[in-house]
Amino acid sequence: AQTVTQSQPEMSVQEAETVTLSCTYDTSESNYYLFWYKQPPSRQMILVIRQEAYKQQNATENRFSVNFQKAAKSFSLKISDSQLGDTAMYFCAFMKPHTGNQFYFGTGTSLTVIP
Amino acid sequence: NAGVTQTPKFRVLKTGQSMTLLCAQDMNHEYMYWYRQDPGMGLRLIHYSVGEGTTAKGEVPDGYNVSRLKKQNFLLGLESAAPSQTSVYFCASSSSELPYNEQFFGPGTRLTVL
Repeated sequence: AQTVTQSQPEMSVQEAETVTLSCTYDTSESNYYLFWYKQPPSRQMILVIRQEAYKQQNATENRFSVNFQKAAKSFSLKISDSQLGDTAMYFCAFMKPHTGNQFYFGTGTSLTVIP
Repeated sequence: NAGVTQTPKFRVLKTGQSMTLLCAQDMNHEYMYWYRQDPGMGLRLIHYSVGEGTTAKGEVPDGYNVSRLKKQNFLLGLESAAPSQTSVYFCASSSSELPYNEQFFGPGTRLTVL
């Protein structure tokens, strides 16, 4: 099984500041996909951003961007101009294509945005 | 579109009771999944299905059974509930086509086994 590690159980950031959440993974695969999901207090899982391993360019979605380091097996999420609505649990996930496209999730980072 | 829906949203069971959780999706997705979420452990895959009539075990399948008789529905059953099965259960679905493989999640079911 693949392993995904999020070493920061809790983080906080001041509103309008920038924060980076860390994620590392362990795999011998060369083709795979990586995701960041957000889970606010409502409990709904929401896709934040995705990255295909075969793409060298880091993905961006508005205030959210990733730093994908394939050789280091690292996939960090940067949130710029943090907003109160960014307060949530953030999960990093790894997906290996085929065999049902199973996702492997990290244990999550709880992010609090402070007014 | 409703996306992925789960029934019920909350349930309390006594040890030994049985129940079925229903997941439905209206996106015509081939793949469907059941996860459990426990504090400090992220989401762990229980069972999944790659199409109507097929099921497969995930990381933590013991104590659960599943069925996918229709493409849009995926049922999770607990035959004899145990306190260790107290958790939040999430259903998800995804397309089989790459790269359109993000998983879409239901709102979750909070299950308490006394």
